[in-house]
Amino acid sequence: DVKVTQSSRYLVKRTGEKVFLECVQDMDHENMFWYRQDPGLGLRLIYFSYDVKMKEKGDIPEGYSVSREKKERFSLILESASTNQTSMYLCASSAKTGLGYYGYTFGSGTRLTVV
Amino acid sequence: KNEVEQSPQNLTAQEGEFITINCSYSVGISALHWLQQHPGGGIVSLFMLSSGKKKHGRLIATINIQEKHSSLHITASHPRDSAVYICAVEGGSQGNLIFGKGTKLSVKP
Repeated sequence: DVKVTQSSRYLVKRTGEKVFLECVQDMDHENMFWYRQDPGLGLRLIYFSYDVKMKEKGDIPEGYSVSREKKERFSLILESASTNQTSMYLCASSAKTGLGYYGYTFGSGTRLTVV
Repeated sequence: KNEVEQSPQNLTAQEGEFITINCSYSVGISALHWLQQHPGGGIVSLFMLSSGKKKHGRLIATINIQEKHSSLHITASHPRDSAVYICAVEGGSQGNLIFGKGTKLSVKP
């Protein structure tokens, strides 16, 4: 069964800590994404990557960075966690289907609380 | 104005009822996705469609490209259908998704 695996379901971190959220996919997908999901705001794109060592800013990149050293792994880094980064974080991967559009697979999410 | 609008935002139904969730979008798309998220859970892809209609079990998704509108129907609803249903459209050269804010469905026994 193909999947996107996020390393933690729940995390509690202190303000100012450096936080790493890990995402691994086993489908050989080129594209990987990090979103955050907040009540009333829906899913918002933080960063994405179309290839190894390549990254692009999404709609809300401030306070975050990413790393993609291997095709299967895409890491989200909170350089100095703040309480306004308390959220649900979702990773996804995609690849073009034979029908001309992209098939997406989502991870189970990491609920991060910054105290 | 959001590029992807869903209605209703919240929906409560009795078990067995027929349910419709709507999605309208204002951008050009290559495909539309319907996603499901159970409370506290991750997101599951239900449908990807670029035209016409798709059916999977009790779920039916339709899209009208000319009217820029899609509907998700659930027949014979069940409490386990209680979830947030999210519409997302795929646009741009790399297929990035633009999400609606979701419809929270609660099915009462």
